[in-house]
Amino acid sequence: QKEVEQNSGPLSVPEGAIASLNCTYSDRVSQSFFWYRQYSGKSPELIMSIYSNGDKEDGRFTAQLNKASQYVSLLIRDSQPSDSATYLCAVNSGYSTLTFGKGTMLLVSP
Amino acid sequence: NAGVTQTPKFQVLKTGQSMTLQCAQDMNHNSMYWYRQDPGMGLRLIYYSASEGTTDKGEVPNGYNVSRLNKREFSLRLESAAPSQTSVYFCASSETSGLNEQFFGPGTRLTVL
Repeated sequence: QKEVEQNSGPLSVPEGAIASLNCTYSDRVSQSFFWYRQYSGKSPELIMSIYSNGDKEDGRFTAQLNKASQYVSLLIRDSQPSDSATYLCAVNSGYSTLTFGKGTMLLVSP
Repeated sequence: NAGVTQTPKFQVLKTGQSMTLQCAQDMNHNSMYWYRQDPGMGLRLIYYSASEGTTDKGEVPNGYNVSRLNKREFSLRLESAAPSQTSVYFCASSETSGLNEQFFGPGTRLTVL
């Protein structure tokens, strides 16, 4: 049974701070990793993909992958109230489907 | 370019009624997926279609059927709705199954009384 674990939160950070969201996965053969943002009442929106160990930066977002530790994280720099949402980690294990974590709720206070 | 579209947006059914949720994508993607999302349960895969002409069961297929009508369209049918099927249903698509990113439709909020 492939598992993806996330802290449910809420993670509360002040505006302008760095938000750090973490995800661990159980399947060692996992090959690709995704972060989705989901606003309340909306559908998941893909914000980052990462396939290799290390960091990948896109604007204020940085995804970090450590396959040896089976750990993937998302950093959000200069957090804004508009970043308040639930962040879903998803992992592909070489098959046809993704396994999703249950998500971490992020609250950014002005 | 509308991406992934779903109809209807909202639906209320009585126990035992049937309905079909429609999904279409205009990104020329090969793979399509149906998920349900319930509070505290996260996204759970119901069925998927890795390519036109194929369908496979996901984690929670019981009570559902699917049809991959063509490359663009993938429908989900509830033959005899039950209150346990009250949920938000999302359709998604990806260029190929496996490594590629999935893109989601806006969802259908279904209530079964």
